[in-house]
Amino acid sequence: SYDLTQPLSVSVALGQTARITCGGNHIGSKNVHWYQQKPGQAPVLVIYRDSSRPSGIPERFSGSSSGNTATLTISRAQAGDEADYYCQVWDSVTYVFGTGTKVTVL
Amino acid sequence: QVQLQQWGAGLLKPSETLSLTCAVYGGSFSDYYWSWIRQSPGKGLEWIGEINHSGITNFNPSLKSRVTISVDTAKNQFSLKLISVTAADTAVYYCASRIVGATRFDYWGQGTLVTVSS
Repeated sequence: SYDLTQPLSVSVALGQTARITCGGNHIGSKNVHWYQQKPGQAPVLVIYRDSSRPSGIPERFSGSSSGNTATLTISRAQAGDEADYYCQVWDSVTYVFGTGTKVTVL
Repeated sequence: QVQLQQWGAGLLKPSETLSLTCAVYGGSFSDYYWSWIRQSPGKGLEWIGEINHSGITNFNPSLKSRVTISVDTAKNQFSLKLISVTAADTAVYYCASRIVGATRFDYWGQGTLVTVSS
């Protein structure tokens, strides 16, 4: 099975930049999607196809992917960005989610 | 804009059958594949399977032997059945949609906590 590995937690100062990584074998060759999940809520798509933003998602959210690592970047972090973030790919058999990263805004 | 509203029993005993339904509002039902995804503390987010308007299904191999997903196009609804549940099936279950040809989940239901306990 295909595994996606994320750091358990990332801390970022208010107004600074947070980077969340998602590691997977040759992930750069796959379409990577990112979801934000706040406590008690369903996940929300924030980045799709590596770097595209759905309508309504702030430009502060951006993504990139190359080699074995995909990255979600949150610029000018706000208190409302505190959440769990998950990466996701299609591995030709199943849809696979990353292990999840808790982002804390200090 | 697609909205998903789901419901089903939240407390089951081991060996019983989990049954959930998701209603779709808005959008074109035939433009999407309709999925079930679960989230447990031990295993994170896990895709269970999907169905389209024609009844074509795809399943996670790890759950395929216990899962049935069906669709009712007259009501714009789809349903999940998971047989022979155990405590390991305790999770929040979500319905979700992906547009045909894409691999991302654009819309999600509100989630249903299903607890399996004797």
